[in-house]
Amino acid sequence: NAGVMQNPRHLVRRRGQEARLRCSPMKGHSHVYWYRQLPEEGLKFMVYLQKENIIDESGMPKERFSAEFPKEGPSILRIQQVVRGDSAAYFCASSLRGQGDYGYTFGSGTRLTVV
Amino acid sequence: KQEVTQIPAALSVPEGENLVLNCSFTDSAIYNLQWFRQDPGKGLTSLLLIQSSQREQTSGRLNASLDKSSGRSTLYIAASQPGDSATYLCAVSDSSASKIIFGSGTRLSIRP
Repeated sequence: NAGVMQNPRHLVRRRGQEARLRCSPMKGHSHVYWYRQLPEEGLKFMVYLQKENIIDESGMPKERFSAEFPKEGPSILRIQQVVRGDSAAYFCASSLRGQGDYGYTFGSGTRLTVV
Repeated sequence: KQEVTQIPAALSVPEGENLVLNCSFTDSAIYNLQWFRQDPGKGLTSLLLIQSSQREQTSGRLNASLDKSSGRSTLYIAASQPGDSATYLCAVSDSSASKIIFGSGTRLSIRP
């Protein structure tokens, strides 16, 4: 069981470029959550997805950010036209069922640096 | 709106001591509570998960308690070791259970 896999581990982008972060949930998990951790801050919820559906995107900035979890393949968090303030660690978590009945398993994160 | 607070923000103790980390939440209508550990520059490792109907969970030297009515949880670490040094995060799953809300963490340092 490989756990939650996130790639890349580190990503450097120039201002204005696009960043694509990938998350493969644990085998058998169909619920995916994205969190952002700004330097020296706590983890903030961004979006909750099930296969092909966005369930809750209340924490997602209205512009430039989007997320998907297609029927096949990993979940993708996309940030268009990145700015320096987007520099953060982005963590993905998965759960077996909604409500985290068995808790949430987190990946190692993608550390995005915007230069 | 659910808010999760962790006290203290930082704690430094000598090796071998028993210690308690505190977590409080404003809305008692939670589904479960989970304690995580985060090492610098790394991801989150789940330590203990307590369902709302449970009072405590134990794993090795760790014991977590939950008092849902008062909005409190504690993480007890027995016989602390330098390898326990990390940031400990408390997170609650809200009743709608579409997300978990994190506290800001307690940064623990165990001195050899």
